[in-house]
Amino acid sequence: KNEVEQSPQNLTAQEGEFITINCSYSVGISALHWLQQHPGGGIVSLFMLSSGKKKHGRLIATINIQEKHSSLHITASHPRDSAVYICAVKASGSRLTFGEGTQLTVNP
Amino acid sequence: DTAVSQTPKYLVTQMGNDKSIKCEQNLGHDTMYWYKQDSKKFLKIMFSYNNKELIINETVPNRFSPKSPDKAHLNLHINSLELGDSAVYFCASSQPGPYEQYFGPGTRLTVT
Repeated sequence: KNEVEQSPQNLTAQEGEFITINCSYSVGISALHWLQQHPGGGIVSLFMLSSGKKKHGRLIATINIQEKHSSLHITASHPRDSAVYICAVKASGSRLTFGEGTQLTVNP
Repeated sequence: DTAVSQTPKYLVTQMGNDKSIKCEQNLGHDTMYWYKQDSKKFLKIMFSYNNKELIINETVPNRFSPKSPDKAHLNLHINSLELGDSAVYFCASSQPGPYEQYFGPGTRLTVT
């Protein structure tokens, strides 16, 4: 079993819908990252969290350390949000352990 | 003004060959990483260097040898390439500890 589990694996939404992607992890962590990988392959860091909640534009990330769970929300989704969203945790030192990713498709 | 750059972007080679992938960052970060993304898009750490010193070395065949000539560069040399080495290799950098990582554009390696 992977130390980092994401759900769902695949998600299809209509433009404008509110989207939630979940991440659960089984180890103690110093930080959790949400990454976005576009169809072209590049990886962009969206958020790094160690507690609470962060917001950037239409994206919101939350983390509950006690429950070892994080969520990434996208409000008013748009086709350009279509990408793979990856949760990664930093357990010790600088090592990142990744979830398997959530493929999001937003249809117009 | 590219933050993390990798060369080449694509690499097609035959089994048994030796190849290198180069990575450079201009962010002033002390820590650099190599990740492998397999055909199922799963990312996994391979190596990490902090200020030219190897700090993470995952269970990677010793055909893979990272080299850091200075803290802005981390190259990956692969000997005797095998079909299973086909993947996308990402370089990344950060400050040491729980800081955001910045990824390069990736190098798609295809071994035929």
